[in-house]
Amino acid sequence: NAGVTQTPKFQVLKTGQSMTLQCAQDMNHNSMYWYRQDPGMGLRLIYYSASEGTTDKGEVPNGYNVSRLNKREFSLRLESAAPSQTSVYFCASSETGIYGYTFGSGTRLTVV
Amino acid sequence: QKEVEQNSGPLSVPEGAIASLNCTYSDRGSQSFFWYRQYSGKSPELIMFIYSNGDKEDGRFTAQLNKASQYVSLLIRDSQPSDSATYLCAVNPGANSKLTFGKGITLSVRP
Repeated sequence: NAGVTQTPKFQVLKTGQSMTLQCAQDMNHNSMYWYRQDPGMGLRLIYYSASEGTTDKGEVPNGYNVSRLNKREFSLRLESAAPSQTSVYFCASSETGIYGYTFGSGTRLTVV
Repeated sequence: QKEVEQNSGPLSVPEGAIASLNCTYSDRGSQSFFWYRQYSGKSPELIMFIYSNGDKEDGRFTAQLNKASQYVSLLIRDSQPSDSATYLCAVNPGANSKLTFGKGITLSVRP
């Protein structure tokens, strides 16, 4: 009964490096989301996937790409990391938004 | 732009007091409303949701919704130090829409 699982939990990257954040849910939810959380800025939506096979941009998509690999998995890729992407990243899933979201435990990313 | 505003914090209350957290939203057609609790270094956790005008109680927590005035509040009775956290208000404008989150308010309960 894991819910939403994110890996890794912590990561330090050098400017220009790439990486993929992984997210998987076992609740058979249709929708999945990637957020970043920065002090004073709240949760900001990067990308979301309303259903398997679809992805859409959120509020702050620049510098990121996503893949909805199947119904369970939704990954976030940073192609060329920048210090401005230092943040805590949360993946979330929902059956429909009307029931709220379940969040993963987060990835704390530092870009130096 | 759809907005969710939470009253400025931080909020500090003594143990045993009632903590009142408020949230206003701009989209009059919003249908569902949520309160998340986030402990420092942890992920947001859903603690209350409300869809209809009025009050909804769950243990020491009461969510209040007033659609005419476009506000939703969370009352925490008999506040405990373990309630110290950041509380996020979230609003869903429609059944297939994305949640809009407020920036959160940090609550500190003094022993």
